[in-house]
Amino acid sequence: GAGVSQSPSNKVTEKGKDVELRCDPISGHTALYWYRQRLGQGLEFLIYFQGNSAPDKSGLPSDRFSAERTGESVSTLTIQRTQQEDSAVYLCASSSAWDSYNEQFFGPGTRLTVL
Amino acid sequence: DQQVKQNSPSLSVQEGRISILNCDYTNSMFDYFLWYKKYPAEGPTFLISISSIKDKNEDGRFTVFLNKSAKHLSLHIVPSQPGDSAVYFCAAAGNTPLVFGKGTRLSVIA
Repeated sequence: GAGVSQSPSNKVTEKGKDVELRCDPISGHTALYWYRQRLGQGLEFLIYFQGNSAPDKSGLPSDRFSAERTGESVSTLTIQRTQQEDSAVYLCASSSAWDSYNEQFFGPGTRLTVL
Repeated sequence: DQQVKQNSPSLSVQEGRISILNCDYTNSMFDYFLWYKKYPAEGPTFLISISSIKDKNEDGRFTVFLNKSAKHLSLHIVPSQPGDSAVYFCAAAGNTPLVFGKGTRLSVIA
């Protein structure tokens, strides 16, 4: 079956604008994660969704960041009033269940550039 | 404070030789460790893992060693091949979301 897909692959925006990043997980995967990788840094956990449970938002860096997930399907990460420090590759991953021990399957990422 | 550290940002190895990538962690609650491999413009892919109850796990050319007392793990690739050239991320799991290191860029020179 298809892997995790993300869109757009690249996004260039002006400082202060809002952006939406989309993730389509592997069908049947109940857990979905968002990460951020800034230049020269590791993967930084942002948020995860597990089934119908409340999402873990502990990694979101500010209230300008939010994410939604429709059931066990598509997720959207929204960044409001973008800042230059938001420039990064945003990666989405899904797994068959949430716990850290389950293999996560990553999408190719969205490269966000804030001018 | 980084809980998972990969202190070598890059490593170059001749084809056919052994590649050793190192990772240190600080949180003693971590009990499962993973290595992911990432090619440019692609997402990371799972490579190999090890539970804290083991000190070695081998899968083909890839072996991961865990030294719990030193809070250190390493990934050995032997023999190294040009297709192994990628960024390798160490990740640690416990009762929290995965924590990743910054990665080590491996270049295997033919």
